[in-house]
Formats: sequence, C-alpha cells, structure tokens
Amino acid sequence: QQQVKQSPQSLIVQKGGISIINCAYENTAFDYFPWYQQFPGKGPALLIAIRPDVSEKKEGRFTISFNKSAKQFSLHIMDSQPGDSATYFCAADSGNTPLVFGKGTRLSVIA
Amino acid sequence: GAGVSQSPSNKVTEKGKDVELRCDPISGHTALYWYRQSLGQGLEFLIYFQGNSAPDKSGLPSDRFSAERTGGSVSTLTIQRTQQEDSAVYLCASQQSRGNYEQYFGPGTRLTVT
Repeated sequence: QQQVKQSPQSLIVQKGGISIINCAYENTAFDYFPWYQQFPGKGPALLIAIRPDVSEKKEGRFTISFNKSAKQFSLHIMDSQPGDSATYFCAADSGNTPLVFGKGTRLSVIA
Repeated sequence: GAGVSQSPSNKVTEKGKDVELRCDPISGHTALYWYRQSLGQGLEFLIYFQGNSAPDKSGLPSDRFSAERTGGSVSTLTIQRTQQEDSAVYLCASQQSRGNYEQYFGPGTRLTVT
C-alpha cells in the first residue's frame, strides 16, 4: 500500500524527443507528488511537484500529468536535451509517513 | 544560503569497524531524514526526525544502525560492526516542516566497507 511503482527502469531518448516516465500508487491518502532529479555523484533535487487537485502542472519543458481515478502520474520532458540525462525519482507524501520514493528511472538523452 | 552538508564525502572502512556519518541540515528545518542508496538503486528510507518527537526508526535495517539528532540540528548516523553489504551512499535530507514541503538533499557520504 505504501509503494510507488515507477517505470521504465531505464530510458533512452533522442535529443529533441519526449521522455515519459510513469508512476502508480495505491494509498489514496497520498496528497503530494514530487519528482526528483539526480545527477551522478549528487543528491536528488526537487524538479517539479503536483497536488491531486489539478490534473497537470507545467514548468518549462517539464510537465506532470496526474490521473487521480487511476492513481497514476507521469513526468513528460519535452524537447529532451543531453543535459537532462539523469536519474528521475517519483515520490508520494501523505503528511503522516515518510516520503515514499519510486525505484528511479535512468534517462539517457543521445544526440 | 547554505544547503545540507554531509561529512565525510567518502569513507572507506574495514569490515567490523564502526563508522559515524554526519549531516548538517539547513538552519531552521525541523525535519531530517536519512536514506541509503545502493549503486544504481532507489532511495531506501532509514530514519526520520521531526522536531522534539521520537524519531521514526522503522527503516533501519538492523540494530547495528542508529542515529541521533542533537539540539534539533546536526544528526549523526552510526553503523556498528560494518558489513560489506553496508556499502552504499548515505543521503541526508532536511525539510522545513513535516508534510508536503520540499526535501533538500545533501551530496551524500559514499561508504565502502572492505
């Protein structure tokens, strides 16, 4: 119930393409869904986050789509660039338990 | 302003030795988390401190692991009698307050047990 399932495990996208990473959850008490970006040798950093009262949030080339009924949310990276190559983690928070992370997606954007 | 800092950045130790890892959170942040990240893996929750409340130790993998947070600020994660499977990056994160706020991560301590 506390798990967040993330897919795919790894993703290769050509420069300029769209990267899509998906996450699913079970616990309906989750009410905050952040995405973290991690570069090698660095700690994760918050990229973008959404609450379930909206279905989409966009910040620059990064968009979260949220489907409350399906208990799924996804990260879309438009016009993917080599500098976007990193590991991406989705997460979910209920305010009562520690943040639950997905297992991560390693994204490689190739020129 | 200053972010979350961790020390040491790298630690190599012999199996059976004890190690202490330090985390300095962002000033004023009341919540502090420790995570473990094995090579190429996700983030494994270890322990969480919130203000003066009793810590949530539900993620600690064994009684060889312990952590404390002094004065609501600096935290130390201690691993006793280290094993090779303890080799990982240990990440600390702080949060302004519990619930729905961004977690700020430190750069991590890479622990290698030989």
